[in-house]
Amino acid sequence: KAGVTQTPRYLIKTRGQQVTLSCSPISGHRSVSWYQQTPGQGLQFLFEYFSETQRNKGNFPGRFSGRQFSNSRSEMNVSTLELGDSALYLCASSFAPQAESSYEQYFGPGTRLTVT
Amino acid sequence: GNSVTQMEGPVTLSEEAFLTINCTYTATGYPSLFWYVQYPGEGLQLLLKATKADDKGSNKGFEATYRKETTSFHLEKGSVQVSDSAVYFCALNSGYSTLTFGKGTMLLVSP
Repeated sequence: KAGVTQTPRYLIKTRGQQVTLSCSPISGHRSVSWYQQTPGQGLQFLFEYFSETQRNKGNFPGRFSGRQFSNSRSEMNVSTLELGDSALYLCASSFAPQAESSYEQYFGPGTRLTVT
Repeated sequence: GNSVTQMEGPVTLSEEAFLTINCTYTATGYPSLFWYVQYPGEGLQLLLKATKADDKGSNKGFEATYRKETTSFHLEKGSVQVSDSAVYFCALNSGYSTLTFGKGTMLLVSP
């Protein structure tokens, strides 16, 4: 089975621009979560989608948004980029039929976003 | 709220040494606990998990036991290899697919 894929792997943007990152989950997985990883803050949860609905959201400003399509692929968008948005953005998928608490998440390689 | 505390690194060991990375957590209810590993330039890989008290997760020689009484999930390996050099993250499931991570512990193993 193919793993979680993320595109692009690297991205350089300028302050004020917007960016869209894409994530394709493992086949059969319906839950997709997004995390931001920075040296200072570590790994922080952004949001989670299940069957095209946002089920949970972390503590990030409204500039960060996402969506999920009917094939479970997900995108996240960051508008009005700031220097502090430079980070590794990780996507994870999970086979999560309901709100179970014991299933594991499988991560993609991440998208490295640099804002200049 | 939920939180995970890991020992700060880096942890520097010689090959074949014994490894312990401490992890404690604060959570409501009975979360599932995980260890993930991140190699340079890569995403996170699930190393092992435990879903209830006294469960022992194990994989590739690594082990961790879910201790509810001490709210801990320490990672251990009897004999580390150079290839184990990576950053290790302890995490708990906070509901749905939300993971709360510790800050990560870098492990450096020298030959």
